[in-house]
Amino acid sequence: GAGVSQSPSNKVTEKGKDVELRCDPISGHTALYWYRQSLGQGLEFLIYFQGNSAPDKSGLPSDRFSAERTGGSVSTLTIQRTQQEDSAVYLCASSLSFRDEETQYFGPGTRLLVL
Amino acid sequence: AQSVAQPEDQVNVAEGNPLTVKCTYSVSGNPYLFWYVQYPNRGLQFLLKYITGDNLVKGSYGFEAEFNKSQTSFHLKKPSALVSDSALYFCAVRDGYSSASKIIFGSGTRLSIRP
Repeated sequence: GAGVSQSPSNKVTEKGKDVELRCDPISGHTALYWYRQSLGQGLEFLIYFQGNSAPDKSGLPSDRFSAERTGGSVSTLTIQRTQQEDSAVYLCASSLSFRDEETQYFGPGTRLLVL
Repeated sequence: AQSVAQPEDQVNVAEGNPLTVKCTYSVSGNPYLFWYVQYPNRGLQFLLKYITGDNLVKGSYGFEAEFNKSQTSFHLKKPSALVSDSALYFCAVRDGYSSASKIIFGSGTRLSIRP
């Protein structure tokens, strides 16, 4: 497709379970970002990948959160031992290069609900 | 450190009237400023940016934003609102002097245009 896609679109899980969220960026975009959007709050930066460089993980809220990007394309955000405060919309974005905001496109997000 | 504030959670405007969505920022270096829009059931998308030059920046859908250095503001404006402008708007800032800086988003303002 032409845009950033994310799956699943919605995920309901029980507290303590692990979840995996997937992001397919736009082909050719070297930068990929994960954000979290909580109700009434702005977008919270989690992690970004730029090409083959080591990812910037400075935004990850705890060691329960991790992300991978395989082959410079698809990325997976994993949350282990989910907590209720992890409930949010997780947004993925990609851009041609890091900080090239005009080419930054966001996916529709994954809405995560932890019961 | 950098931050951005959107003081209004919601702005209500009648169709045809001018609209303003407020944003103030704090950055230690050179501010790069952005507006993004999130329409219902659609992904977040770039609207416009200020890097340097003319303080009045024009973007998509007839929107514009005015950079005011003395007031550290970057308010989004449109001369005549449309019902279709109803969406969630995010202001964002990045420190242009820092090679490692990341974009920081505000909490968002919901714009509601009544017919």
